[in-house]
Amino acid sequence: DAGVTQSPTHLIKTRGQQVTLRCSPKSGHDTVSWYQQALGQGPQFIFQYYEEEERQRGNFPDRFSGHQFPNYSSELNVNALLLGDSALYLCASSFWEGSEKLFFGSGTQLSVL
Amino acid sequence: QKEVEQDPGPLSVPEGAIVSLNCTYSNSAFQYFMWYRQYSRKGPELLMYTYSSGNKEDGRFTAQVDKSSKYISLFIRDSQPSDSATYLCAMSAGSGNTPLVFGKGTRLSVIA
Repeated sequence: DAGVTQSPTHLIKTRGQQVTLRCSPKSGHDTVSWYQQALGQGPQFIFQYYEEEERQRGNFPDRFSGHQFPNYSSELNVNALLLGDSALYLCASSFWEGSEKLFFGSGTQLSVL
Repeated sequence: QKEVEQDPGPLSVPEGAIVSLNCTYSNSAFQYFMWYRQYSRKGPELLMYTYSSGNKEDGRFTAQVDKSSKYISLFIRDSQPSDSATYLCAMSAGSGNTPLVFGKGTRLSVIA
């Protein structure tokens, strides 16, 4: 049973560029959440997708956007990259109904130069 | 005041020691409490999950929740070098789709 998979594992971009990160949820899960983890900090909630719609959003600017596909996989897009966007981006999957347990992928390490 | 406070450590203990990790929180609406373990350059792995107050034991790990004090703990008995990792507490106010609020994480090293 494949867990949550994310790609790419590492990415280097320059300020002002745009980036797309990808996530495939754990088999059977229908909900995908994205978290940003800066160095030495705990993960911070970006947004959550269910039924191809953004359901909840954390305190992140509109430069952060996402998408969920019919097969439940998801993308995170960040426009106009800033140095402060350098972080580990984590995808987590779960069931929309009846489970508080999130299962995380290994993350994408984004470096903005 | 942050919603969830966690001492970042680092914490260094000898092999076989009992480890105590703690978090405090301010939001009385939190009902679901979790501990995640995160190895370097990996995603967090769910270790323990507790609903409301009480204790939960799983092998060498015990999670405790005291809602009256807004305080949660994770105890690791007979600690092993393989337990060396960052431990993150997380909590949420609702079921299912409510986002988790994480602590900063405590970095633990178990020395052989």
